[in-house]
Amino acid sequence: EPEVTQTPSHQVTQMGQEVILRCVPISNHLYFYWYRQILGQKVEFLVSFYNNEISEKSEIFDDQFSVERPDGSNFTLKIRSTKLEDSAMYFCASSEGLATHEQFFGPGTRLTVL
Amino acid sequence: GEDVEQSLFLSVREGDSSVINCTYTDSSSTYLYWYKQEPGAGLQLLTYIFSNMDMKQDQRLTVLLNKKDKHLSLRIADTQTGDSAIYFCAESIIPDEKLTFGTGTRLTIIP
Repeated sequence: EPEVTQTPSHQVTQMGQEVILRCVPISNHLYFYWYRQILGQKVEFLVSFYNNEISEKSEIFDDQFSVERPDGSNFTLKIRSTKLEDSAMYFCASSEGLATHEQFFGPGTRLTVL
Repeated sequence: GEDVEQSLFLSVREGDSSVINCTYTDSSSTYLYWYKQEPGAGLQLLTYIFSNMDMKQDQRLTVLLNKKDKHLSLRIADTQTGDSAIYFCAESIIPDEKLTFGTGTRLTIIP
């Protein structure tokens, strides 16, 4: 069964460093998303991406964040200068579009900022 | 803004029914979802309901929606050990748009 994959599963970085979290969405899907979950808190929407551009972003998704679909398969989230409060589980999701209602989630990348 | 609330923990004996509750604040929520997260895995969609429905049944799962009270529940009949997981309620206004999640309810099965 097709699934969303994410790499790495765990990333440790120093404050101020840049990180890139990678996702491979399901191949025929058109919508892509990033969510994050700080330990003990809710899963929060960061950004959605459709037709090679951001379709919606939350207040969390400030200038330190960017997304890219560099080729036909990968979808990346970049954090330019990480802060301690960026430590969280980051989930990538994709959906077929066409009002199918299901967003398929990857297993997440745990980001730890020291 | 939207807010979705759930209780954090629920313990149920194997074979009993589990009822997980959720409340939401946005009256324009159109689609309400239940996701399941097992350890080390992503979020898996279990079921969803349109706001113009008040009940949906899918095998062991029953979703009840009280739109007036903005209350959603998920009933799992004949709860099994494999149902141990965190269950997230979520809502959206438009399909394929962002999901707003609750805190998740950790369901523990007592043998």
